[in-house]
Amino acid sequence: GAGVSQSPSNKVTEKGKDVELRCDPISGHTALYWYRQSLGQGLEFLIYFQGNSAPDKSGLPSDRFSAERTGGSVSTLTIQRTQQEDSAVYLCASSSRTGGGQPQHFGDGTRLSIL
Amino acid sequence: AQSVTQLDSHVSVSEGTPVLLRCNYSSSYSPSLFWYVQHPNKGLQLLLKYTSAATLVKGINGFEAEFKKSETSFHLTKPSAHMSDAAEYFCVVSVTDSWGKLQFGAGTQVVVTP
Repeated sequence: GAGVSQSPSNKVTEKGKDVELRCDPISGHTALYWYRQSLGQGLEFLIYFQGNSAPDKSGLPSDRFSAERTGGSVSTLTIQRTQQEDSAVYLCASSSRTGGGQPQHFGDGTRLSIL
Repeated sequence: AQSVTQLDSHVSVSEGTPVLLRCNYSSSYSPSLFWYVQHPNKGLQLLLKYTSAATLVKGINGFEAEFKKSETSFHLTKPSAHMSDAAEYFCVVSVTDSWGKLQFGAGTQVVVTP
């Protein structure tokens, strides 16, 4: 079946511009997660959605970062006034439910480069 | 708090020889543990998971891992490496008393030589 889909796969933008990254989870998966992967920082958790609400957004690095999820499906991560340190791969994952032992299924990510 | 430590940042093996990737965990409770693999420009793919059932867990592509509570270890092994096993591998623990938040290790880069 279809896995987690992310778009665009690559994004190059100028410093100061806003960007939107999209994640389409596996059909029926109620939980959705955003991560950031950069050299030297490993995998960083950003935000977790259960349905359309975000019980844990503790990983968002600044108020320039926001995310929403509508219809319990597609999610958008928005970065405003991008900075060079935002350059990274942004990964999205989904799972059918939450709780310990529940594996997450990852998309291929969006590679974001800020010039 | 739960955490995992991957003991090797890089591992180089010859094709056809065994692979061993070492992971130690820290947890006050019986943890849920995972191994994921990431090939270049791809997302993370689940190799296997441990959730307090059998201590020897078999995964995809011939990988297996053994949970050893006395050693707080969850090492990943494969009897015979294939060129396609060249990738980065992450040991992951699920944080107890949370919604299932995952704590990732720093990763081990595996190089397979012909």
